Amino acid sequence: AQSVAQPEDQVNVAEGNPLTVKCTYSVSGNPYLFWYVQYPNRGLQFLLKYITGDNLVKGSYGFEAEFNKSQTSFHLKKPSALVSDSALYFCAVRDVLTGANNLFFGTGTRLTVIP
Amino acid sequence: NAGVMQNPRHLVRRRGQEARLRCSPMKGHSHVYWYRQLPEEGLKFMVYLQKENIIDESGMPKERFSAEFPKEGPSILRIQQVVRGDSAAYFCASSPTSDAVVNIQYFGAGTRLSVL
Repeated sequence: AQSVAQPEDQVNVAEGNPLTVKCTYSVSGNPYLFWYVQYPNRGLQFLLKYITGDNLVKGSYGFEAEFNKSQTSFHLKKPSALVSDSALYFCAVRDVLTGANNLFFGTGTRLTVIP
Repeated sequence: NAGVMQNPRHLVRRRGQEARLRCSPMKGHSHVYWYRQLPEEGLKFMVYLQKENIIDESGMPKERFSAEFPKEGPSILRIQQVVRGDSAAYFCASSPTSDAVVNIQYFGAGTRLSVL
């Protein structure tokens, strides 16, 4: 069975500091991993994905994420946080082995960047 | 290229009424997904459709909920005899037909259903 865990409901970081939003996953086969961001009263916006290849993937707005197979993690990172990064972040996984097209989402992490 | 369009953005229904949520996928996309987001929770998959076919409805409640994606027109998520527990944000996503390896799903802004 597929699952995604985002262990932190809330992350606070000062503007200009590096940020990390954590995500771990569980799938039967190889994972396709995604990060989405949700701004208030808006739909989810795609940030980045990991399919195969380089474990460090770069996405929109300066975000990047590192796939770690041994730790089954896919943490989202940014070297220098902006106030405008404050939003709700969701990690999602698709299990390649099952062939299912739907995404399994974590419960989300609310990021607050403090000016 | 317009994004995924959902309407209405907000829908208020009384218990027992029907709710109809519409989703127009991005141009060129023929794969549609519906997700439900309860307050303070992540999105939960409900149903996956292609034109005129339901591919996976494993996340749909067994009763009162149905979905369709006709040859012409938007995808419709229908909830009959709504109850307070149906209050949630319902998101639609679409992906392109040609993406056989991995589908990036593009999401609409959602419909927020409130059941009084």
